[in-house]
Amino acid sequence: RKEVEQDPGPFNVPEGATVAFNCTYSNSASQSFFWYRQDCRKEPKLLMSVYSSGNEDGRFTAQLNRASQYISLLIRDSKLSDSATYLCVVNDNNDMRFGAGTRLTVKP
Amino acid sequence: GAVVSQHPSWVICKSGTSVKIECRSLDFQATTMFWYRQFPKQSLMLMATSNEGSKATYEQGVEKDKFLINHASLTLSTLTVTSAHPEDSSFYICSAPQTGNYGYTFGSGTRLTVV
Repeated sequence: RKEVEQDPGPFNVPEGATVAFNCTYSNSASQSFFWYRQDCRKEPKLLMSVYSSGNEDGRFTAQLNRASQYISLLIRDSKLSDSATYLCVVNDNNDMRFGAGTRLTVKP
Repeated sequence: GAVVSQHPSWVICKSGTSVKIECRSLDFQATTMFWYRQFPKQSLMLMATSNEGSKATYEQGVEKDKFLINHASLTLSTLTVTSAHPEDSSFYICSAPQTGNYGYTFGSGTRLTVV
């Protein structure tokens, strides 16, 4: 089983749609969790950390379920500029483990 | 915010030559630097972890004699791809952890093409 698993997609959605990504992780002792965004041929950039109580940043909501070992990212009112690959990242004792990423394309 | 400067952004080299990639932390000290490789349409794969003043830790399957990592100061870590071959062509990227729960800062990546 992979350490961090994501549905690779692609997700093709119209502008304004709500889209959700899930990510599962194998190490129950994982300490911290993040969602990164990666544009084509660019470095990943931190989108948001994921806190146990769930957190929201504008149109983005992240949630963590430790019991089921998954994290989620919800994007509301999607924009064309949201088109990117979203990487789930899990911190295992200061080692970052990446999911393969979920490709999102938002269409007019 | 914290910045990791990575150079070069892209490089084309001949088979058998060596290529050095530098990552510098600006405005902060990076005691640890992670080095990743990413093939097209694949995830970032951790190659090794460098720690200032000590030997790097390599992931299973990564040849330490081929991918030389040096972390001589708190602001500079380097990855040298020795005797490069076409199969080493990839996107190499470094990242350094931030304090607290602020994730990691990535360099801008180096696209290596070996011909």
